[in-house]
Amino acid sequence: DQQVKQNSPSLSVQEGRISILNCDYTNSMFDYFLWYKKYPAEGPTFLISISSIKDKNEDGRFTVFLNKSAKHLSLHIVPSQPGDSAVYFCAAPAADSNYQLIWGAGTKLIIKP
Amino acid sequence: NAGVTQTPKFQVLKTGQSMTLQCAQDMNHNSMYWYRQDPGMGLRLIYYSASEGTTDKGEVPNGYNVSRLNKREFSLRLESAAPSQTSVYFCASSEGSLSNQPQHFGDGTRLSIL
Repeated sequence: DQQVKQNSPSLSVQEGRISILNCDYTNSMFDYFLWYKKYPAEGPTFLISISSIKDKNEDGRFTVFLNKSAKHLSLHIVPSQPGDSAVYFCAAPAADSNYQLIWGAGTKLIIKP
Repeated sequence: NAGVTQTPKFQVLKTGQSMTLQCAQDMNHNSMYWYRQDPGMGLRLIYYSASEGTTDKGEVPNGYNVSRLNKREFSLRLESAAPSQTSVYFCASSEGSLSNQPQHFGDGTRLSIL
């Protein structure tokens, strides 16, 4: 079974506060994870990634945390800004393919002024 | 800096009609991908191409054909469109062939089949 699950279809956060987007996966063989951001009428853009040999990766306001035992990762955005309003996708390379990504359904983040 | 360009942006077809979606990238990338995105679902891979002249099936290849014309261009063809193929189609490219490398996406083609 190879699934990536984003169980929250949407999330609303006050500007300036922390946004936490969650992602769960089913296959312990997944060894790399990517987050993409998508604005309406545009294609996804790569945001940040993490290898399974790490438990944290940080890039400016964006930090991804990986909990392998729980098969869970989260994306933290601090502080949240209006331009962060978008759909965020979590993805993982399939365990049985060199080229296929398994994508979550996405979480729509709304930053309130 | 165009990146990945998809044409057309919108299209409405009747059931049974054929159509080719075009994709071109100017980043000299080796790998190219075609995805579809349906409401409430993640992106699903239709076809992948590691280089000119090579293609591999993805998760949902049925009803589609592809052609990697050269390093820049990767087209997706619907030979006989069906309502179930109503979707948003994204083309993407990446420098290498491994799926852990970031992919660069076009802005999509919104296809409706009546």
